[in-house]
Amino acid sequence: GAGVSQSPSNKVTEKGKDVELRCDPISGHTALYWYRQSLGQGLEFLIYFQGNSAPDKSGLPSDRFSAERTGGSVSTLTIQRTQQEDSAVYLCASSLVSGSSYGYNEQFFGPGTRLTVL
Amino acid sequence: TQLLEQSPQFLSIQEGENLTVYCNSSSVFSSLQWYRQEPGEGPVLLVTVVTGGEVKKLKRLTFQFGDARKDSSLHITAAQPGDTGLYLCRSGTYKYIFGTGTRLKVLA
Repeated sequence: GAGVSQSPSNKVTEKGKDVELRCDPISGHTALYWYRQSLGQGLEFLIYFQGNSAPDKSGLPSDRFSAERTGGSVSTLTIQRTQQEDSAVYLCASSLVSGSSYGYNEQFFGPGTRLTVL
Repeated sequence: TQLLEQSPQFLSIQEGENLTVYCNSSSVFSSLQWYRQEPGEGPVLLVTVVTGGEVKKLKRLTFQFGDARKDSSLHITAAQPGDTGLYLCRSGTYKYIFGTGTRLKVLA
C-alpha cells in the first residue's frame, strides 16, 4: 500500500497559537515514532507508540507537546502555545515490530511537516 | 547524552572522489542501520549490519560494522551528485536513537 503520509506538508502559524500535525502510518505497522529535525540537524526523538500506547514520551521537550494515536493507526502531534523555537520539520515514521527484534525493523518515514512559527 | 556520534559533520567533495563517514559509540549494539535523507524527504534505509566485523556492499557504498559492535563506517567510491544528502546511523539497541548525522555534498 501507500507509504507514510503526513499533513499538512507546511504550516505557518503565529506565536502562541496551537497546531496539530497528523501522521498516517503504513497499514499494519504497530510502531509509530515522532521526530523533530531542526535546520541542518539530525533527528531528535520525541515520542514512540506501540499500538495506541506511548511507552516512551521522554523526548517531548515540554508539556506544550502532546501526542495521541487512535485505532492503532493515525497519530496526531499537538503543540500548544507555539514558540519560535518550535520551528522545525516534524517527521513521523512507522515500523512493523515483531517480537523483540526492534533493531532489525526498518523505519519508514513520511516526508515531514515543516512548521514555521512567526 | 549522545549515544551515536557521527563524523565528519559536514563533507563537500568533487564528483569522483572517495569518502568515508563514521558512526561511533561507547556502547555495544545488537545491530546498526544506515539511512540516507535527501532534501525535502524523510530518511530511507540503506543497510542493516548485525555481526561484528560484517561488511556489506551496496553498489558503490561499502558498510562495515566494527568487530566490537561499537562503531561502523560507510565508504563511498567515486561519489556522484546523487549521493548528496544527510547520512544517519541508527542503533539497533535503542530503537529510536539516530546518530548526529553527516551532511554530504557532492559537486559536479
